[in-house]
Amino acid sequence: AQTVTQSQPEMSVQEAETVTLSCTYDTSESDYYLFWYKQPPSRQMILVIRQEAYKQQNATENRFSVNFQKAAKSFSLKISDSQLGDAAMYFCAYRRQYSGNTPLVFGKGTRLSVIA
Amino acid sequence: DAGVTQSPTHLIKTRGQQVTLRCSPKSGHDTVSWYQQALGQGPQFIFQYYEEEERQRGNFPDRFSGHQFPNYSSELNVNALLLGDSALYLCASSWRGQTYEQYFGPGTRLTVT
Repeated sequence: AQTVTQSQPEMSVQEAETVTLSCTYDTSESDYYLFWYKQPPSRQMILVIRQEAYKQQNATENRFSVNFQKAAKSFSLKISDSQLGDAAMYFCAYRRQYSGNTPLVFGKGTRLSVIA
Repeated sequence: DAGVTQSPTHLIKTRGQQVTLRCSPKSGHDTVSWYQQALGQGPQFIFQYYEEEERQRGNFPDRFSGHQFPNYSSELNVNALLLGDSALYLCASSWRGQTYEQYFGPGTRLTVT
């Protein structure tokens, strides 16, 4: 079974600074997707960024970027120029690539605080 | 375009009772997945519905059941509630033709006393 591990229960960052959230995963599959989701106090799970395992290039979405190391099964999220609105729970998630919609497997999350 | 909606927002039930949670998928989506998120944990997959049938199921007991209607909306039913069923229940919708994107609703907070 696939597992996702987030080893940092809590992180904090100064506004405008950069922070990196860590994630490792375990799978025997070669084709899969990895995601970072943000869950603010409103509880709505919001997709931050997605990485396809077959792509060597790291995904980037504005201030958010990932460092995907397939051999090491590592998938970290870097948030640049942190803003107060970035404060939230961040979940790393894995999904097997298969026809149809395979379920997401989530880590336990990292709570990010942004200090003004 | 409305996103994924869930009702009710909050619910308080007594141990042993039964509960029904509802989800309307995003417009154009035909697949609904349900997740349970216990306090301080990541969401865990309960089951998924497509074409009005349960297609995949996570490690949850038969007390958890569901239904999908012809308009793609879905219900999650939990019988014989336990204190441990207290959690945030998230619904996610997707289109079967697109294999990676799932959109989440705001969730239903269930408290069992």
